[in-house]
Amino acid sequence: QSVLTQPPSASGTPGQRVTISCSGSSSNIGSNTVNWYQQLPGTAPKLLMFSNNQRPSGVPDRFSGSKSGTSASLAISGLQSEDEADYYCATWDDSLNGWVFGGGTKLTVL
Amino acid sequence: QVQLQESGPGLVKPSETLSLTCTVSGGSVSSGSYYWNWIRQPPGKGLEWIGYIYYSERTSERTNYNPSLKSRITISIDTSKNQFSLKLSSVTAADTAVYYCARAQGIEYFQHWGQGTLVSVSS
Repeated sequence: QSVLTQPPSASGTPGQRVTISCSGSSSNIGSNTVNWYQQLPGTAPKLLMFSNNQRPSGVPDRFSGSKSGTSASLAISGLQSEDEADYYCATWDDSLNGWVFGGGTKLTVL
Repeated sequence: QVQLQESGPGLVKPSETLSLTCTVSGGSVSSGSYYWNWIRQPPGKGLEWIGYIYYSERTSERTNYNPSLKSRITISIDTSKNQFSLKLSSVTAADTAVYYCARAQGIEYFQHWGQGTLVSVSS
């Protein structure tokens, strides 16, 4: 049981916009910034979004992030086949005094 | 560019201690700007933070562990080899996972990850 709640799966067709949600509480998302990681099959996670809505260098602007209260979301517009991956949200939890992750969302491009 | 590489046995027997090392290149583990972490992922499952170690020459070292694993974990650092290590004692099959080392920008985000190493717990 993950501290942060994500839908286990999401899907879309090429060119569509898809949104992945991440729900937490006042001690984690409510108090700290949210990050998103993309994990392609068989590879290590890669930082996709930090500080709620900041993209590291090299991440296309098709990816965007937002946070409101104790929830956050990742949006992918202009969906492409190479976006098929697992996506994880993460943040610091003040009560646990450590990082917590969402359970991950498997994105399928139909 | 910072690179991290995990190393250690791929098979550990139940009740024994899992030991892994992360070798860092392109950056110093004693820079005092980063938290050096271990994260694991059981096969087909999500990510779990294990713990971190922070080191600076001014403040020495500080560790922080996942409460659910705290009694079994030790994370240490070897600044002379630019490495940090994980020891997880009394392992069971539930500890079978891909273990990643990662560098974090404070408590903000995991900026760099190793490629991961699969450790199986089996007799």
